[in-house]
Amino acid sequence: DTAVSQTPKYLVTQMGNDKSIKCEQNLGHDTMYWYKQDSKKFLKIMFSYNNKELIINETVPNRFSPKSPDKAHLNLHINSLELGDSAVYFCASSHGGITYEQYFGPGTRLTVT
Amino acid sequence: TQLLEQSPQFLSIQEGENLTVYCNSSSVFSSLQWYRQEPGEGPVLLVTVVTGGEVKKLKRLTFQFGDARKDSSLHITAAQTGDTGLYLCMKAYYNQGGKLIFGQGTELSVKP
Repeated sequence: DTAVSQTPKYLVTQMGNDKSIKCEQNLGHDTMYWYKQDSKKFLKIMFSYNNKELIINETVPNRFSPKSPDKAHLNLHINSLELGDSAVYFCASSHGGITYEQYFGPGTRLTVT
Repeated sequence: TQLLEQSPQFLSIQEGENLTVYCNSSSVFSSLQWYRQEPGEGPVLLVTVVTGGEVKKLKRLTFQFGDARKDSSLHITAAQTGDTGLYLCMKAYYNQGGKLIFGQGTELSVKP
């Protein structure tokens, strides 16, 4: 029944490692997003995919690479993790239109030590 | 820069009090949404406003979109402890390929 799901919920890793976060939505939406929420709770869009095509790519280090195997999945791979990457990462989906209403996953708390 | 300013950033009130949260931008936008986020969870959509001057009600929550479509407010009447959370506004620019910008958020704490 879960609309937007993410795994894992928590991720603790050391600097320099490579990690992935997976996201799946069963809402039939065409557009999916990745957001980063920092320690001050500010939510910033990182990427947006529409039907497996990248449409928004904000100023994000190229160590972050999104991959969309199909329109229901959008994964985030992070290379060479740094301390500053510690944050909560949210996946979201939207049906588009003119309002872009976002349906968020539960988040993945990434801690880099 | 197309910022979206939210105020106040923090609000601590007693149960039963009323409060208003503001969301302001210097530019016109296509639509605005309000979300509530509880600890350890993702934001949940509360409402979408599209038309200038629009007012929407969701139980004790009243949402207003400014006439010029540059600002919005969220008013909560007789706050309850269950209203505690982070309130976020988000604006969307349809004619900019779906550019989305969130406000900094308002952390609301309602004490019994």
